[in-house]
Amino acid sequence: KNQVEQSPQSLIILEGKNCTLQCNYTVSPFSNLRWYKQDTGRGPVSLTIMTFSENTKSNGRYTATLDADTKQSSLHITASQLSDSASYICVVTPRFSGGYNKLIFGAGTRLAVHP
Amino acid sequence: DGGITQSPKYLFRKEGQNVTLSCEQNLNHDAMYWYRQDPGQGLRLIYYSQIVNDFQKGDIAEGYSVSREKKESFPLTVTSAQKNPTAFYLCASSGKLGRVVTGELFFGEGSRLTVL
Repeated sequence: KNQVEQSPQSLIILEGKNCTLQCNYTVSPFSNLRWYKQDTGRGPVSLTIMTFSENTKSNGRYTATLDADTKQSSLHITASQLSDSASYICVVTPRFSGGYNKLIFGAGTRLAVHP
Repeated sequence: DGGITQSPKYLFRKEGQNVTLSCEQNLNHDAMYWYRQDPGQGLRLIYYSQIVNDFQKGDIAEGYSVSREKKESFPLTVTSAQKNPTAFYLCASSGKLGRVVTGELFFGEGSRLTVL
């Protein structure tokens, strides 16, 4: 069964510190892997997207990495800010899925950045 | 500005009532989706539509209904048959590249439904 597992479930860090969120998946083959940020009570917003052939993608202080051999992705946040407090969701698109109706979502990691 | 608008933001329903959540997009996207989000779970697909006047069931369609009479609109009705409707509902849309729906998936701001 295709699955996307994220860890940790929740994380508390101090402002200015770095952190890394993990995403393990069993989806194979896959077309792309995305990271979304979801503020509480809001819709998710895309941070990065990587195809199966890419290893890393950056968006400002957010850097996503992908290891297709171990089926792992990570999202690294540098110099965290209070506004980084949100849930971060990993999403995998199976290859040959024919559309976004086959997206597989992780449950997310809830990050809290404290002053 | 282009985007997806969901309404209402908060909705309360008594047991036995049907309620309809609105989703409108002005991105000229062909495909639209409804997801349900529960605490500790990944988003689950309720219904999706890749073209006007056509829609397909997702993984958890029971107790829900949709229509796609216009490209811009994809309303979701939560019927009384849905046994546990309290959740956060997200509408999304995506564009098309050639014949394949691809590109970025854009989400609305969500609607929180609470059953009293």
